[in-house]
Amino acid sequence: DAGVIQSPRHEVTEMGQEVTLRCKPISGHDYLFWYRQTMMRGLELLIYFNNNVPIDDSGMPEDRFSAKMPNASFSTLKIQPSEPRDSAVYFCASSSFGLIGELFFGEGSRLTVL
Amino acid sequence: GIQVEQSPPDLILQEGANSTLRCNFSDSVNNLQWFHQNPWGQLINLFYIPSGTKQNGRLSATTVATERYSLLYISSSQTTDSGVYFCAVGGSGSRLTFGEGTQLTVNP
Repeated sequence: DAGVIQSPRHEVTEMGQEVTLRCKPISGHDYLFWYRQTMMRGLELLIYFNNNVPIDDSGMPEDRFSAKMPNASFSTLKIQPSEPRDSAVYFCASSSFGLIGELFFGEGSRLTVL
Repeated sequence: GIQVEQSPPDLILQEGANSTLRCNFSDSVNNLQWFHQNPWGQLINLFYIPSGTKQNGRLSATTVATERYSLLYISSSQTTDSGVYFCAVGGSGSRLTFGEGTQLTVNP
């Protein structure tokens, strides 16, 4: 299997612009997670889906952030409008056994907002 | 939620040395994983080990769930072992909580 695939790997944008991050989970995994990693806060869970349905979005920092999973093989995390404090590495991960299952991460999308 | 504490926070070794990393947690868990984040930022699964002992080459891990700790052993360390090692734990129905990590540097 190809593993979890994320794009873009790097994104540099200006404050106020819309950012869309993309993720393809491992085939057959029905749980998908979005994490954010910063030096200050470490790894934070933003939102997770089960069978394409958002289950817990309590980690989404504010309304500027939104996530969708239109089908089992694709998810997006959108930030609109972006701010410099959103600069971080955003990871997507998938699992076949939910919260108790082994988690597999993508390579991450490094976002820099100027 | 579950509290996770990793030690030591930093570790510097000479190539060939052995090391033990520790992860303490505050409550019973049904999920425990060790990850290695390499210098390029990739998060790589090392072990899924909510209990028991596993080995993979030079690495092994033991979780003693009743005493609420897990250990990661690295033997004959290599420069490619450098990076941050994270322990992540989850209790019943709860999300994974990540520790702050152990920053390992292996010098040639």
